[in-house]
Amino acid sequence: DGGITQSPKYLFRKEGQNVTLSCEQNLNHDAMYWYRQDPGQGLRLIYYSQIVNDFQKGDIAEGYSVSREKKESFPLTVTSAQKNPTAFYLCASGGDRASNQPQHFGDGTRLSIL
Amino acid sequence: DAKTTQPPSMDCAEGRAANLPCNHSTISGNEYVYWYRQIHSQGPQYIIHGLKNNETNEMASLIITEDRKSSTLILPHATLRDTAVYYCVPYTGTASKLTFGTGTRLQVTL
Repeated sequence: DGGITQSPKYLFRKEGQNVTLSCEQNLNHDAMYWYRQDPGQGLRLIYYSQIVNDFQKGDIAEGYSVSREKKESFPLTVTSAQKNPTAFYLCASGGDRASNQPQHFGDGTRLSIL
Repeated sequence: DAKTTQPPSMDCAEGRAANLPCNHSTISGNEYVYWYRQIHSQGPQYIIHGLKNNETNEMASLIITEDRKSSTLILPHATLRDTAVYYCVPYTGTASKLTFGTGTRLQVTL
């Protein structure tokens, strides 16, 4: 069954701790994205990657880091430098105009501070 | 990025058609109109998109005005499972960010 898998569904972070959110896709998409959603607000882009071993900062990259070593995987690390990490994190892949391909989303990871 | 205006909320009786409007008067010529919906605590779900022609798929129909300044998403026979927040999103379709506004909260009732 093709899709985007995010794990874990819920994550708790202690003060000063780094945590990593997983995102895996088996849709053979080149591009992958990380968004953050706060209650009652729209999505904000954190990082995106158009191809393996390459990624760009989005609008709110400070306090976050990513890697793209494999086409299928785009993990996001929320570092201790991110002072307000409590949010709903969404991973997406796709968005290729040439193939008329929309972005598709995973079911998200909800991160909270202990 | 093109700005969108959608009504904050709408109600629809189950089995009836739900017509969700979106104003995108600043849309540029290379931007498609994409529609997504988000059910509480889930990721956004892609519904449909179009450039200037009307489109239909198994989920919905999309009507785009000739001047492309507005569009309407039509769910022909709404069910309770269609209760969600619906977003219209102008997007070039290239690998760049999607900009979601505040959307329309559709409540389908018995």
